[in-house]
Amino acid sequence: GENVEQHPSTLSVQEGDSAVIKCTYSDSASNYFPWYKQELGKGPQLIIDIRSNVGEKKDQRIAVTLNKTAKHFSLHITETQPEDSAVYFCAAPYQAGTALIFGKGTTLSVSS
Amino acid sequence: AAGVIQSPRHLIKEKRETATLKCYPIPRHDTVYWYQQGPGQDPQFLISFYEKMQSDKGSIPDRFSAQQFSDYHSELNMSSLELGDSALYFCASSLYIGGNTEAFFGQGTRLTVV
Repeated sequence: GENVEQHPSTLSVQEGDSAVIKCTYSDSASNYFPWYKQELGKGPQLIIDIRSNVGEKKDQRIAVTLNKTAKHFSLHITETQPEDSAVYFCAAPYQAGTALIFGKGTTLSVSS
Repeated sequence: AAGVIQSPRHLIKEKRETATLKCYPIPRHDTVYWYQQGPGQDPQFLISFYEKMQSDKGSIPDRFSAQQFSDYHSELNMSSLELGDSALYFCASSLYIGGNTEAFFGQGTRLTVV
């Protein structure tokens, strides 16, 4: 089955800097890669996703890149703000279904 | 916009008791997922339902069962509770249109087993 690895586990940046979180996956058949943001005491919230037929997707300060050959995808956050501080999870399809398997998460801290 | 509703938000049970968690998906969503998240961990997929039929099965213990009803709400039944079952339980819903689509998560039920 699919296995997702996420790095780093913690990331501290200054406000205005960029943050990059990387994930690798094992199943070459996987075709959908979402990123979720989870704030303390809340459920995960989708912030961006990418499908295997594109290499990059951008939404304002957030972008995701996908390298199908290397089987890795990355989340890029530019001009970070304190409110970006949260735990970020990457995910991939669980056993070719529509459920998800998540990475271990990255705790992002943005200091002002 | 309507979101995924979970109840109760908090639940305290003793070992060996039973618990029932409820999930009300976003209107018109036909797929429901259950996830378990331990402290400082990632959400672990338990089970999912599409059009009231089980669609995928993850790491759901045999002591747990779930179903989706005709109105698409879902219930997770947990029996013989153990201390290790203490966790956040999330329900998510999505609309199946072929392949993966955005899954919306509820606010979760925090289960504490004492």
